[in-house]
Amino acid sequence: ETGVTQSPTHLIKTRGQQVTLRCSSQSGHNTVSWYQQALGQGPQFIFQYYREEENGRGNFPPRFSGLQFPNYSSELNVNALELDDSALYLCASSLPGSGEQYFGPGTRLTVT
Amino acid sequence: DQQVKQNSPSLSVQEGRISILNCDYTNSMFDYFLWYKKYPAEGPTFLISISSIKDKNEDGRFTVFLNKSAKHLSLHIVPSQPGDSAVYFCAASAASGTYKYIFGTGTRLKVLA
Repeated sequence: ETGVTQSPTHLIKTRGQQVTLRCSSQSGHNTVSWYQQALGQGPQFIFQYYREEENGRGNFPPRFSGLQFPNYSSELNVNALELDDSALYLCASSLPGSGEQYFGPGTRLTVT
Repeated sequence: DQQVKQNSPSLSVQEGRISILNCDYTNSMFDYFLWYKKYPAEGPTFLISISSIKDKNEDGRFTVFLNKSAKHLSLHIVPSQPGDSAVYFCAASAASGTYKYIFGTGTRLKVLA
């Protein structure tokens, strides 16, 4: 059974640019959640996707958007990058109706 | 407003002894709680969960206790092993079906050999 995978591992972008991060969910998991983890903080919920629809959103501006595909993989897009967007971005997948979320290794984004 | 608080940034425990990690929450709507362990350069690893209908859940060396009246949960690790050294996060969710978790800031556990 393949776990949650994310790509790329690391990314450096310039302020104002756009970025796309990718996540493949664990086999059979149709729900994907995205979190942002700043240094020294716990993960903060960005949004969740279930069956290709957004199913809940945290306190993040609209320039954070996402997609989920029929194979349950997902993308996180961030437009107009700001320095404060520098963080570890984590993706987690879960089975339908289950509260247990399984995380990928994350993508470290640095905005300069 | 930090709805989930882990007030101890770090904890050191001798190998073989009990580690107790604490977590407090403010939102009475939270009804499902998780503990995660995180090693450097890895994503959080799910450890154990508890729903608000229970006050205790055990899985091997890990036990989570929930005190709803005090809005407090704790993770007990017995016996502690050097491989348990990591950052531990508690997370809470309200009964929305979304499982939109609010995480604490983490406690770094160091188990001394």
